[in-house]
Amino acid sequence: GAGVSQSPSNKVTEKGKDVELRCDPISGHTALYWYRQSLGQGLEFLIYFQGNSAPDKSGLPSDRFSAERTGGSVSTLTIQRTQQEDSAVYLCASSLTGQGRGYTFGSGTRLTVV
Amino acid sequence: AQKVTQAQTEISVVEKEDVTLDCVYETRDTTYYLFWYKQPPSGELVFLIRRNSFDEQNEISGRYSWNFQKSTSSFNFTITASQVVDSAVYFCALSDMEYGNKLVFGAGTILRVKS
Repeated sequence: GAGVSQSPSNKVTEKGKDVELRCDPISGHTALYWYRQSLGQGLEFLIYFQGNSAPDKSGLPSDRFSAERTGGSVSTLTIQRTQQEDSAVYLCASSLTGQGRGYTFGSGTRLTVV
Repeated sequence: AQKVTQAQTEISVVEKEDVTLDCVYETRDTTYYLFWYKQPPSGELVFLIRRNSFDEQNEISGRYSWNFQKSTSSFNFTITASQVVDSAVYFCALSDMEYGNKLVFGAGTILRVKS
């Protein structure tokens, strides 16, 4: 597609439920990133996929968080047993391969855990 | 370790004023890239500029200009004759060899331009 697409744009869930957030990157972009932006905060790195390499999961805050990328394209970020502190905007970005490439970000998914 | 510091949490200016957003970075690498992104109220992050560590030339794009000084590890962003549409959160970011292709972001500066 023309840009990075994320769905849903908003998600309200009850504490303890699982949620799945979807990211559809720009066609041809081999790198895909998930970041989290809590209210009034900067961007926190979560996970990075590059081609067929093992993902860099160093930013995932707990084992309740996981992500996969199928066929080198669409990615799903899953949060199990959601907690109120998981409430944030989850941003996905994609880029071409190579160090120093700028990202193209999606519009994000605003997750609210009640 | 990589670190980006945006010391200004929030800046308010009146339309047509010039404003400079500060960014100081830390890295052990000699090869790195610096970025600025804009996040308007709609929430989407918009890429503004990328600069590599070997190019210290300042850059101007319309009302925007960037001052890169390796000696002080700074990459400051100036908006000339600010407009209300410039109101947004601005993020400075760093990518270096050690951190791979990941971007480390500063905390952001909220810019409010009043008419």
